[in-house]
Amino acid sequence: GAGVSQSPRYKVAKRGQDVALRCDPISGHVSLFWYQQALGQGPEFLTYFQNEAQLDKSGLPSDRFFAERPEGSVSTLKIQRTQQEDSAVYLCASKLAGGSGNMGTDTQYFGPGTRLTVL
Amino acid sequence: AQSVTQLGSHVSVSEGALVLLRCNYSSSVPPYLFWYVQYPNQGLQLLLKYTTGATLVKGINGFEAEFKKSETSFHLTKPSAHMSDAAEYFCAVSDRNTGFQKLVFGTGTRLLVSP
Repeated sequence: GAGVSQSPRYKVAKRGQDVALRCDPISGHVSLFWYQQALGQGPEFLTYFQNEAQLDKSGLPSDRFFAERPEGSVSTLKIQRTQQEDSAVYLCASKLAGGSGNMGTDTQYFGPGTRLTVL
Repeated sequence: AQSVTQLGSHVSVSEGALVLLRCNYSSSVPPYLFWYVQYPNQGLQLLLKYTTGATLVKGINGFEAEFKKSETSFHLTKPSAHMSDAAEYFCAVSDRNTGFQKLVFGTGTRLLVSP
């Protein structure tokens, strides 16, 4: 597709339920990122993939959060036993190149996000 | 560790007036700096970025920003505001310590434009 897509756009969960959020990156993009944006805040990094390898998961807030990208394309962010503090917009971004240094100049393209509300 | 400070959670201007959104960063190594704009219920769109070279960077929609190393700043400006500029603006930084991968964002500045 032309851009990064995410589904669902809105998700309401009862506390304790498990949820799965999907991200379809731009075709051919090597790097994929997940960010969490709480109300009134800037996005905060959760995790990063280069192809299927999860290279950095330092931002995942707890072991209830799990992300995968098994074939190096679509990614799923799973949250187990959701809590009210998990309510946020979850943003996915993709970037053409992996690596570091000058390759880092590639732009991260963001999807529209999934708004998760935990009741 | 990297950090970004955006002074002013809200900035109000009149249509046609100068827009100035402030961003200061902290990084122990030379940074890459970005400005993103977010419209309601939409994702982030890149306005402009500084990586290396010329410190005055021009972006889309008439915006520009200047990297000032001595002031650790990357303020965003536009000479004349349009109603369509009303949105949330985020400054972000990445650097070599994280392989120029993850972005660290400020808390954002909401720009309000009045007729």
